[in-house]
Amino acid sequence: DVKVTQSSRYLVKRTGEKVFLECVQDMDHENMFWYRQDPGLGLRLIYFSYDVKMKEKGDIPEGYSVSREKKERFSLILESASTNQTSMYLCASIVGVDSRQPQHFGDGTRLSIL
Amino acid sequence: QQPVQSPQAVILREGEDAVINCSSSKALYSVHWYRQKHGEAPVFLMILLKGGEQKGHEKISASFNEKKQQSSLYLTASQLSYSGTYFCGTASNDYKLSFGAGTTVTVRA
Repeated sequence: DVKVTQSSRYLVKRTGEKVFLECVQDMDHENMFWYRQDPGLGLRLIYFSYDVKMKEKGDIPEGYSVSREKKERFSLILESASTNQTSMYLCASIVGVDSRQPQHFGDGTRLSIL
Repeated sequence: QQPVQSPQAVILREGEDAVINCSSSKALYSVHWYRQKHGEAPVFLMILLKGGEQKGHEKISASFNEKKQQSSLYLTASQLSYSGTYFCGTASNDYKLSFGAGTTVTVRA
């Protein structure tokens, strides 16, 4: 089974802090994604990466950046956290570049910015 | 653009049926369905591809109407374990998915 692991289930940070969310997958998947999940809005794509050091903006990239130095690890960075970034963050990965493949999700990180 | 899911929520008694719809304004190549239980990761249920196929997973099945750019998820003879939030994810011309807002299903004994 594919395992996608997010480093923290719950995180509390202060406004203005630089925040790092980590995601690791163990199946050598090429593509990794970061979503945020908010009530009534579903999952919205922040950034994705299709290879090491490669990234593309999703639908809501403002205030975020990402890093992919190794194939198995994809990090989401909040450069200067703000209260409107309080949310559930989900990481996912898929094999290949094909929408016929299912996305495998981590358990999520619930981030609170105070 | 996110697909539109309906209804937002549904409450069922064990054994009852329900239908969840997912509509897109864009031409679709594939539709994914996932279920998420509270505090857990979304779990993949099934993928439907362009071509109007129908698929099943236990007593949960789905269809894809290519002409209407719409997919429907059918929960048949619901069980308590079916409770959760169901999301559709749609793909048009690449592997990125756009997800609907979700439908919360509550199955009561």
